[in-house]
Amino acid sequence: DTAVSQTPKYLVTQMGNDKSIKCEQNLGHDTMYWYKQDSKKFLKIMFSYNNKELIINETVPNRFSPKSPDKAHLNLHINSLELGDSAVYFCASSFPRQGLQETQYFGPGTRLLVL
Amino acid sequence: AQKITQTQPGMFVQEKEAVTLDCTYDTSDPSYGLFWYKQPSSGEMIFLIYQGSYDQQNATEGRYSLNFQKARKSANLVISASQLGDSAMYFCAMRAVTNTDKLIFGTGTRLQVFP
Repeated sequence: DTAVSQTPKYLVTQMGNDKSIKCEQNLGHDTMYWYKQDSKKFLKIMFSYNNKELIINETVPNRFSPKSPDKAHLNLHINSLELGDSAVYFCASSFPRQGLQETQYFGPGTRLLVL
Repeated sequence: AQKITQTQPGMFVQEKEAVTLDCTYDTSDPSYGLFWYKQPSSGEMIFLIYQGSYDQQNATEGRYSLNFQKARKSANLVISASQLGDSAMYFCAMRAVTNTDKLIFGTGTRLQVFP
């Protein structure tokens, strides 16, 4: 009965490769997010989607492309991976229109290491 | 622009004691919400507690309470009767009324509970 799940949990790859991270939520939420947590633990939003529509795109390089096939899924595809892409990537979801109190629920994270 | 500041990179507390984790925020928005998340060593982000800027009372959730001082723009997390399992990173976050899609995080405080 996992609420927000991500696959894979760990991803080790070579520079220049293309990789995808998948996210699924079974909470019935309309909005999904991708965050990046760097080596200093700083957490920053990358994208958010509401009902498959892009809402936030935080000046992320266009090598990163989110794809939302339906409102329960938000995948992240990364082209031409660079060393600086090494981080933990978190997916989150929330039920919108709750205003300020809208709580985001996070997945377990995907630890990406680019060699 | 909104900003969250957590000035304590690390804190130690003895089991069964109370501990306060500091969080100050900066926003010109009249209405906003404040959140605390816990990130244990396993990596997941766990929602703990929410405080709205117009809430009359400080939020409480079990052993967690929020010491909200609006004039000082602070929203400190108080953990009572600390347990070894409370050892984790703790993040303060904010959402403001003019940008409800975005949750802004602080840099986190690492809490270590010792026996």
